Amino acid sequence: QQQVKQSPQSLIVQKGGISIINCAYENTAFDYFPWYQQFPGKGPALLIAIRPDVSEKKEGRFTISFNKSAKQFSLHIMDSQPGDSATYFCAASNDSTDKLIFGTGTRLQVFP
Amino acid sequence: DGGITQSPKYLFRKEGQNVTLSCEQNLNHDAMYWYRQDPGQGLRLIYYSQIVNDFQKGDIAEGYSVSREKKESFPLTVTSAQKNPTAFYLCASIGTSASYNEQFFGPGTRLTVL
Repeated sequence: QQQVKQSPQSLIVQKGGISIINCAYENTAFDYFPWYQQFPGKGPALLIAIRPDVSEKKEGRFTISFNKSAKQFSLHIMDSQPGDSATYFCAASNDSTDKLIFGTGTRLQVFP
Repeated sequence: DGGITQSPKYLFRKEGQNVTLSCEQNLNHDAMYWYRQDPGQGLRLIYYSQIVNDFQKGDIAEGYSVSREKKESFPLTVTSAQKNPTAFYLCASIGTSASYNEQFFGPGTRLTVL
């Protein structure tokens, strides 16, 4: 019930294309869903996050789509750029604990 | 410059030795966390502390120990009881941003057991 399942494990996209990464969860008590971006040898950094009271959140080229009934959420990267090449982690938490449960990560490679 | 610092960046240890990883934050955050990252396994929680002088075990605490004597410091000791300690270790802290709590990460320490 505490797992967050992330797919795909790796993704190769051409420059200008759309990158889509999916996550699914079981625990209906989760109410905070962030996405983190990590470059090699660095710590993860928060990219964008969503609460279950909205179905979509957009920040620049990055969009989270959230489907509460399906217990799924996804990250869309529009107009993908080589600089977006990194590992992306979805996560979920219940505010009352502040413990983030992370997905296993997706390694994105954007080729020019 | 506010943030989280971890030292050293790279650490080599012989089998059977204990080693301590440093984590310091000047963000005035109450809660701090230690994660272990292995290829293909995401981030797994080792220990966390929500207040000074108190900490709780995470999902993979065996072979690790922590202390929280000061708000800004949360060192992690990898003991000889940890059977497979080679990994990338990340420290994080939580602050409040807008309507949700954002977890900030340090740059990590890569530990290699020789």
